[in-house]
Amino acid sequence: DTGVSQDPRHKITKRGQNVTFRCDPISEHNRLYWYRQTLGQGPEFLTYFQNEAQLEKSRLLSDRFSAERPKGSFSTLEIQRTEQGDSAMYLCASSVDGGWTYEQYFGPGTRLTVT
Amino acid sequence: AQSVTQPDIHITVSEGASLELRCNYSYGATPYLFWYVQSPGQGLQLLLKYFSGDTLVQGIKGFEAEFKRSQSSFNLRKPSVHWSDAAEYFCAVGPYGTASKLTFGTGTRLQVTL
Repeated sequence: DTGVSQDPRHKITKRGQNVTFRCDPISEHNRLYWYRQTLGQGPEFLTYFQNEAQLEKSRLLSDRFSAERPKGSFSTLEIQRTEQGDSAMYLCASSVDGGWTYEQYFGPGTRLTVT
Repeated sequence: AQSVTQPDIHITVSEGASLELRCNYSYGATPYLFWYVQSPGQGLQLLLKYFSGDTLVQGIKGFEAEFKRSQSSFNLRKPSVHWSDAAEYFCAVGPYGTASKLTFGTGTRLQVTL
């Protein structure tokens, strides 16, 4: 168990560019979550997958945001036409559906800076 | 809609002193409640969770929390704080049965003085 990994850890981009982040969950975790955390705030839910199905999306996830989990393993989060307001830490978490733990294991995050 | 309030943005305690971090939640049904800790450069780590049963739950690193339904609170406590406990602490609530979408509070930053 190597934990949840995210790549890259830091990304600096210019306004208007597209960016893509990757998350590798803990193996055999069938649920995967994306959160966004801005300075001085707690994480805010963006979306989550159960296997390859995207089950819920937050209203925070505008049309410029898209997330995929094509084979039910790793996931990508893409932001098109980035804006300065997209600057934040993007957190990924994974968990096992069912059982009695319901614990979401978080990755270290990808810090996005839009200049 | 579910929400979490952490009224203390910043708390300073002396090493060895006791600690209580406040958390109030709003949820229409039985909630699942969590406390996470975030250290600089680190991911969120789960300290403890409450689903049902005994309202006093024990977690890692000597932390405990008490669920009080009548007060809609889930306060985190530690009898003796260590300098390494300095971090940001987040309370979160999740929907009963799945705990899928977590709603976090704004966090309390703990500073520990020696």
